[in-house]
Amino acid sequence: GQNIDQPTEMTATEGAIVQINCTYQTSGFNGLFWYQQHAGEAPTFLSYNVLDGLEEKGRFSSFLSRSKGYSYLLLKELQMKDSASYLCAVRDSNYQLIWGAGTKLIIKP
Amino acid sequence: IAGITQAPTSQILAAGRRMTLRCTQDMRHNAMYWYRQDLGLGLRLIHYSNTAGTTGKGEVPDGYSVSRANTDDFPLTLASAVPSQTSVYFCASSKTSEGTDTQYFGPGTRLTVL
Repeated sequence: GQNIDQPTEMTATEGAIVQINCTYQTSGFNGLFWYQQHAGEAPTFLSYNVLDGLEEKGRFSSFLSRSKGYSYLLLKELQMKDSASYLCAVRDSNYQLIWGAGTKLIIKP
Repeated sequence: IAGITQAPTSQILAAGRRMTLRCTQDMRHNAMYWYRQDLGLGLRLIHYSNTAGTTGKGEVPDGYSVSRANTDDFPLTLASAVPSQTSVYFCASSKTSEGTDTQYFGPGTRLTVL
């Protein structure tokens, strides 16, 4: 079966750095996406990785290792507005997105 | 209209009733999707459409049907609602279903079936 694993919840302090991990086992791989979802709102796109390595976009970076079936999202200089759920999704061999359950990130002052 | 709209925003429905959730996008995207999101579970794909006139089944299609008569609209119908269909439903679209194309999501419909 296909599986995406993420921690259920993480807590971090304002101004700090946090790393949210995602491991996956899917039938095929055509890219990995990270989305942000604030409570009661729709998911919004953060990043996309299809090749191994680090993609940096402002305070957010995403890393991929295809051989290990592993990705992480790195958030720097945390702000209170970063309190949200972070969803990892993998595009499989049928080009469908398989979603993790999401990691709820709580930011404390 | 800008992006994707969904209607209604929320609905309480009696079991056994028929219900259509509406989704419209103005981005001229070819691909559209319906997901349901339940607490503790990831988004699960119900149905999808790669282009107008075609549809396909996702991970959890039973009890749902869709149509794609044109590029902009992708309604989801529950023929006879059951309590297990209580969920938040998101419609999404992307330029195509391949490559780096990102899925953009509508605001969601919160459905309660009693």
